[in-house]
Amino acid sequence: GDSVTQMEGPVTLSEEAFLTINCTYTATGYPSLFWYVQYPGEGLQLLLKATKADDKGSNKGFEATYRKETTSFHLEKGSVQVSDSAVYFCALRDDYKLSFGAGTTVTVRA
Amino acid sequence: GAGVSQSPSNKVTEKGKDVELRCDPISGHTALYWYRQSLGQGLEFLIYFQGNSAPDKSGLPSDRFSAERTGGSVSTLTIQRTQQEDSAVYLCASRIAGGRSEQYFGPGTRLTVT
Repeated sequence: GDSVTQMEGPVTLSEEAFLTINCTYTATGYPSLFWYVQYPGEGLQLLLKATKADDKGSNKGFEATYRKETTSFHLEKGSVQVSDSAVYFCALRDDYKLSFGAGTTVTVRA
Repeated sequence: GAGVSQSPSNKVTEKGKDVELRCDPISGHTALYWYRQSLGQGLEFLIYFQGNSAPDKSGLPSDRFSAERTGGSVSTLTIQRTQQEDSAVYLCASRIAGGRSEQYFGPGTRLTVT
């Protein structure tokens, strides 16, 4: 079945540091790929998405590129802020349901 | 407009009791999902509704778990004879069916079984 593997962390960074969270997937079809974010005390929110190979999703300074050749969708941000502290989930959707990675807890220190 | 709402936000129950968790999807969203978020298991799919029918129940962990949806709107997830391993955050999501529409998540119900 479909599955997602992501770097589990936790990850602790200083403000303005570069963030990368690795995500790879296994799917039989051609899934859409997503990054969701869960801020402390809040619900799950869509951060960005890509629906086909070579698409780049971006939002709030975060980017991820759908790489079919490496089955990857790594999340990057060039300069993190304290407000980026959250749990980040990589996910795929092949038809109607989402399959999630384990989540990566990111803490950004001032 | 209003997002997905869930109630209660927190529920503490004794082992062996039954619990009901409620989800109110976004108006007009015909597809509804239940997920479970627990330590060590991450986010797991439980069940998918299209309208009032559930074409995919494959994620329900045991026959103690059931869900229904009425009027194409509100859904209730019922856990009978709760066990400690049922402790988790139960998330509901809804979306407009068809195409590549996004799932919108509710804030979740935190269930603690003592």
